[in-house]
Amino acid sequence: DAGVTQSPTHLIKTRGQQVTLRCSPKSGHDTVSWYQQALGQGPQFIFQYYEEEERQRGNFPDRFSGHQFPNYSSELNVNALLLGDSALYLCASSSAGTGLYEQYFGPGTRLTVT
Amino acid sequence: KNEVEQSPQNLTAQEGEFITINCSYSVGISALHWLQQHPGGGIVSLFMLSSGKKKHGRLIATINIQEKHSSLHITASHPRDSAVYICASRINSGGSNYKLTFGKGTLLTVNP
Repeated sequence: DAGVTQSPTHLIKTRGQQVTLRCSPKSGHDTVSWYQQALGQGPQFIFQYYEEEERQRGNFPDRFSGHQFPNYSSELNVNALLLGDSALYLCASSSAGTGLYEQYFGPGTRLTVT
Repeated sequence: KNEVEQSPQNLTAQEGEFITINCSYSVGISALHWLQQHPGGGIVSLFMLSSGKKKHGRLIATINIQEKHSSLHITASHPRDSAVYICASRINSGGSNYKLTFGKGTLLTVNP
């Protein structure tokens, strides 16, 4: 079992650019959540995808969008990057069928915006 | 609005000491998670609990629903336990809330 995987590991972008981050959930999981973790802070919820739809969203602007594919993998897209978007982006997967929503986290993607 | 507070922010211990990290939350929850994060980022889920107590090896997590408080204990601490420990809660809203709200974390350093 590969667990939750994310790509790329690290990424450097320039202000104004767009970025796509990818996540493959743990085998058997159908739900993917995305979190942003700024340095020294706890993660902040961006959104959650289930059945290829955004099921819940945190307090993030529309520049942050996502997608879930039929195989349950997910992408996080950020447009018009700002310096403040520099953070660790974490993906977590869970299984809606258990009703427990225990989340398994990936290793994260470190995004640096210059 | 659910707020999650952890204490202490930083904790330094000697190898073998008993460690306690505390977490308080402000609204009724359906579950509370304890997570471990090592330098470099990756988060590992240690416990998910909604009542009582859970134990895994040297780690023990307890929760008091009435007092809205949870503790993570580490017995016989070891330098490899050095990490950031984060608690996170999921609000009980009848099944329509799925997000976790995180504390800022407790940086634990265990010296040999």
